[in-house]
Formats: sequence, C-alpha cells, structure tokens
Amino acid sequence: SQQGEEDPQALSIQEGENATMNCSYKTSINNLQWYRQNSGRGLVHLILIRSNEREKHSGRLRVTLDTSKKSSSLLITASRAADTASYFCATDAIGSYQKVTFGIGTKLQVIP
Amino acid sequence: EADIYQTPRYLVIGTGKKITLECSQTMGHDKMYWYQQDPGMELHLIHYSYGVNSTEKGDLSSESTVSRIRTEHFPLTLESARPSHTSQYLCASSGEGNSPLHFGNGTRLTVT
Repeated sequence: SQQGEEDPQALSIQEGENATMNCSYKTSINNLQWYRQNSGRGLVHLILIRSNEREKHSGRLRVTLDTSKKSSSLLITASRAADTASYFCATDAIGSYQKVTFGIGTKLQVIP
Repeated sequence: EADIYQTPRYLVIGTGKKITLECSQTMGHDKMYWYQQDPGMELHLIHYSYGVNSTEKGDLSSESTVSRIRTEHFPLTLESARPSHTSQYLCASSGEGNSPLHFGNGTRLTVT
C-alpha cells in the first residue's frame, strides 16, 4: 500500500483564499516532499522538509511536519487560478534506501 | 526545466506487441525511478535503480522489466503488451542524498 495519503482528495476554492492539504504516512521517514502535477504532465518538486524540521516556507508555500503524528500539511496562501493542479506528498522511509513513494494526491481547483 | 526526457510521448499499440519506453537524463543522477499512474490517480512505484547495474522492483507488481547499463539511460520494456498495461508511465531521477526527484513528461500508453 502507498506510504502517504493526502486529504482532502479534492478541494475547490476561490482565488485569493488559502488552500490547505494534509498528508499522513505510515512509517518513520528521512524526509517528506511535496510535488505539483498539472493535468497529464510530469510532477514538479515544490518543497522538501527533513524529519528534524518542523516548518518550512517557500514563497506562498508553507509546509509543516509532525513526526509524532506522522503527518504533514501544505498551505498555499493567496491562491491563484494558476495553482489549479494535483498536489502529492512523497516520503522516503528510513531503511528504504531512498525509495520514494507517493500519496494519492489532492486535486486543487482555484476558481477565478 | 529538468533535463530528463521520455519517448514516446504517446503510444497506441496492439495486444501482444513488445514495447520499450525510453527515459534519459543528462544530469548525471545515480537514482532513477519508474512510476505508473492512471489518469487522475496516485503514482505507483514499479521500478527503481541506485546506479549502473542496479535495479529493484517497486511496490506495485509489474510485468515490465528495466535495465541500467548506462547512468543516463533507464528503459522500461513490456515483452507482451496487454490492455491492462494501458496507463501513464512517469520516469524520474534524483541526485545525491535527499535530492528532489526530477520528472519527465511521461509516456501515455494505450494497448488495444
């Protein structure tokens, strides 16, 4: 089974609002990454947070990591129509020798 | 943009044919991955490689095979294509340590 699971599976918001997506995983990890996928394309890396970090920012993105709850969240602030995409978390489990597995993804729609 | 290339972009082929999906990267990355993704769904890791002459099976059982004779090249082969193989196949690579994955644009395979 997949290591990570995102929720919600789909999210629709108005432009300018914030979008929050959550990811839960099952085993201890070295790091957690968030990726974005536009329809029918490959994934683009957004941000990586290591297991000893609790929060990380990159532009309008804020990622938190709670290793005690085995969960992470991705916050996109002041969303834009161009943020419409699917967002996936990916984990690199300890002992997996950097085998990276993905969650089921959250489909975000930002309505202009 | 990452320098990782997948060909062909689209492939429609009849049942029973042998096919090879190509993936090449020019970044000198040691780690390479193949993921299978049905439209709008999660990514499943089917093969990965830590370097030349190293290949491992992923979490999703696949009838495909891979080879890694050169660092830059990680082709995926299906000896006898079936309709159940219809999917999108995404190739990725990553560098040293906890580096993010760089994805190609994928090959969308349809087996009739």
